[in-house]
Amino acid sequence: GIQVEQSPPDLILQEGANSTLRCNFSDSVNNLQWFHQNPWGQLINLFYIPSGTKQNGRLSATTVATERYSLLYISSSQTTDSGVYFCAVERGSGTYKYIFGTGTRLKVLA
Amino acid sequence: DTAVSQTPKYLVTQMGNDKSIKCEQNLGHDTMYWYKQDSKKFLKIMFSYNNKELIINETVPNRFSPKSPDKAHLNLHINSLELGDSAVYFCASSQVRDLPYEQYFGPGTRLTVT
Repeated sequence: GIQVEQSPPDLILQEGANSTLRCNFSDSVNNLQWFHQNPWGQLINLFYIPSGTKQNGRLSATTVATERYSLLYISSSQTTDSGVYFCAVERGSGTYKYIFGTGTRLKVLA
Repeated sequence: DTAVSQTPKYLVTQMGNDKSIKCEQNLGHDTMYWYKQDSKKFLKIMFSYNNKELIINETVPNRFSPKSPDKAHLNLHINSLELGDSAVYFCASSQVRDLPYEQYFGPGTRLTVT
């Protein structure tokens, strides 16, 4: 089945720093989403991005579907960015599959 | 107003019992989901319902049965609970017909089986 790998697994940043999180997937996908889970467990949908680039405030995401990866950029990080970032891919041809990556745990220090 | 709510928030029960987790969304969305997050934070989709019809049914034991009485509710019933069922269960909803679609998650139900 399709594999979804995220890197790095853990990341510690000083407040104000920028970072790039990566999501690699092993097969073509119909959809890719990024999620943030805050330290209190709440899950938030960040981007729906099967291809191209999107921006939302200090966060932006780029998916290069032909090369099977997506990047999540966090600029001027804040302590509230801490938590776990997941990507998830959706594959609709044949058997439907919705697979999460293992996540990147981010800690932003004040 | 809570968009996606789940009850209960915590559930502690013994092996072999049957339990249910309820989920309600007031966003008017057409699709609802159940996810399981294990102790290592690994997330997995379990079920998805679109307009009360099951559209995703990942490989989960038959002991898990979703029930959608209407578009706003998707309940999860678990029979004969096992230790390995201990996890956090998240409900979510989205309006899939309108792309791009965003999923809204409930606060989660932490299930502990002893």
